[in-house]
Parts: sequence; structure tokens; C-alpha cells
Amino acid sequence: QVQLQESGPGLVKPSQTLSLICTVSGTSITSDKYSWAWIRQPAGKGLEWIGRINTSGTNYNPSLKSRVTISVDTSKNQFSLNLSSVTAADTAVYYCATYARIFIYWGQGTLVTVSS
Amino acid sequence: DIQMTQSPSFVSASVGDRVTITCRASQGISSWLAWYQQKPGKAPNLMIYGAYSLQSGVPSRFSGSGYGTDFSLTISSLQPEDSATYYCQQGNSFPLTFGGGTKVEIK
Repeated sequence: QVQLQESGPGLVKPSQTLSLICTVSGTSITSDKYSWAWIRQPAGKGLEWIGRINTSGTNYNPSLKSRVTISVDTSKNQFSLNLSSVTAADTAVYYCATYARIFIYWGQGTLVTVSS
Repeated sequence: DIQMTQSPSFVSASVGDRVTITCRASQGISSWLAWYQQKPGKAPNLMIYGAYSLQSGVPSRFSGSGYGTDFSLTISSLQPEDSATYYCQQGNSFPLTFGGGTKVEIK
């Protein structure tokens, strides 16, 4: 069974960089079966796709593209999200998930609050 | 970008009722449509993929239909545990997009 777990700071100051890690178990992150994605959800609102990475490269949401970097650490079976120049509008629950046209497996989500 | 429009945004129904949620794509997405159920404080859970294929473990009272731009999720006999918010998602092209969600409440 594939499992994902997000980790990282729960509080980030405005203008700083939000950094999260997703640890994958039950499958290799080098597998061609999945891509690895980040999705976020502000409190009481809907889901927003941030981006994804696979062996071919990355795709990002154009609305965030200038601030987002997703990368993979194969030695740790992890992938990460960096979101720069954050503002209060980036406060949300951040999920990592596997992607294969659909989001099959999800992490439990981690709340990140942007505040000074 | 492909816009996904769900309706209604809220539905209140009784146990045993048939509930249908619709999702319209701003352009054709073939069958690249999935439905997710999300309960408060939890991650979304995949229910339907490929517009009509039931994910393993999902009760058979859930069904999906549609192709191209118009899709629907039907709960044939609403149960108390179906109280949740439901989202559609298109996997046809980047950027991936979700519908705004439909909250299903049990009367």
C-alpha cells in the first residue's frame, strides 16, 4: 500500500519560502507508474493543484509557476515543495499525492500558516 | 485552462434519496474525469475515475457518467456516511483543475 506523509514548518513568515517534504512508502519514487504532486486547500475553500514531477520533468500551475519548485530526492524516497515569497493568501492545508491522470493516494495534509 | 463547474454547490437530502451532482468542463476532456469525496479534516478520497469506473472499495451506490464536457456523480440511495463534500477533477490537460465542490448534507 502506497503511503505519503507531509512534513515541514507549520508557520512561515510573509516574504519567506515555504518548504515541505513528502515522504513516500510502499513504492519507489523512481517508479514510472506515478507522478508526484502537490495540492493545497485554503480553509473552507476548494482544491488547487500546485504542480507535479515525474521522470520526464515538472508541470506547474501557471498561477504559481514563478514561485514554485518541486524536486525529488531519490535517496530518501521523498519529494519536496518550495514556494517562495509567500503571503497570507498561501495559508492552506498542503497535500502531497500520487498522480496518474487522477490523484490516487494522498497524504493526510499539513496546515501551513503564513503570518508574522 | 479548463474550468470545471459543479452544481449544485449544496444539496440537502434524506437517507435513501437519490442524489445527482453535475460537473461541466469548459472544453472537452474525453473521459478524463474523476470524483473525490472529502470529509472534514481529511484528505480527499478517490471515488470514481475515467468518468464512470468505481475505485476499489467504493460502495456500488455511487456511479459516474458522462463524456466530453458534461458529467455526473449519482448516489443511488443516500446513506448517513455519505455526508461530505464532493469534487470533480479533470485530468485531460495541464493545469489540472477541480470543480468548486458540492456539499452533501443529510436532512
